[in-house]
Amino acid sequence: QQPVQSPQAVILREGEDAVINCSSSKALYSVHWYRQKHGEAPVFLMILLKGGEQKGHEKISASFNEKKQQSSLYLTASQLSYSGTYFCGTVSGGSYIPTFGRGTSLIVHP
Amino acid sequence: DAGVTQSPTHLIKTRGQQVTLRCSPKSGHDTVSWYQQALGQGPQFIFQYYEEEERQRGNFPDRFSGHQFPNYSSELNVNALLLGDSALYLCASSASGGQIGGYTFGSGTRLTVV
Repeated sequence: QQPVQSPQAVILREGEDAVINCSSSKALYSVHWYRQKHGEAPVFLMILLKGGEQKGHEKISASFNEKKQQSSLYLTASQLSYSGTYFCGTVSGGSYIPTFGRGTSLIVHP
Repeated sequence: DAGVTQSPTHLIKTRGQQVTLRCSPKSGHDTVSWYQQALGQGPQFIFQYYEEEERQRGNFPDRFSGHQFPNYSSELNVNALLLGDSALYLCASSASGGQIGGYTFGSGTRLTVV
């Protein structure tokens, strides 16, 4: 079953922060995060394995709460280059294939 | 280091025809997955190939079939095309099931069925 991402869209000014949430109805083994710019391939940002860990990637970090079956992506001091659609891909037990949400569109203005 | 290469980039086919899409994985990757992405949607899993075998399959009809070659490259075949098959088809490669380094996606093949 497809994870639910919220919000659907975010509009920011440079330097502002954003949080993108990803929720699943299934018990999760891991969560992938990707960013896709218009007309381009999705780019891998990070993967979080169950254990409630938090990972960082430059000014982008994420957390994984396996009890709540949720993950959140944190973008701090956003840059113009952060604009794009962010997808979470959830992996449930028995399969290593990520199921992707519908995406969150992030627009960063100067 | 070349990433994932897909060909062709764009394709227009007539309803009922057959199409073959091709993918070369990133160097060092042994697993290839195919996804269909409709406009404004997330990628939907079609199937995954590992060691030249279909390892897992998503909820797609048998009209969708694939193949993986000994050099890890892969093909996606779609028979009896429907208008609803129009989408961006993404190939993603990974190592070790993608649970460490995630998936590396190609730029996709835009298929239009008329």
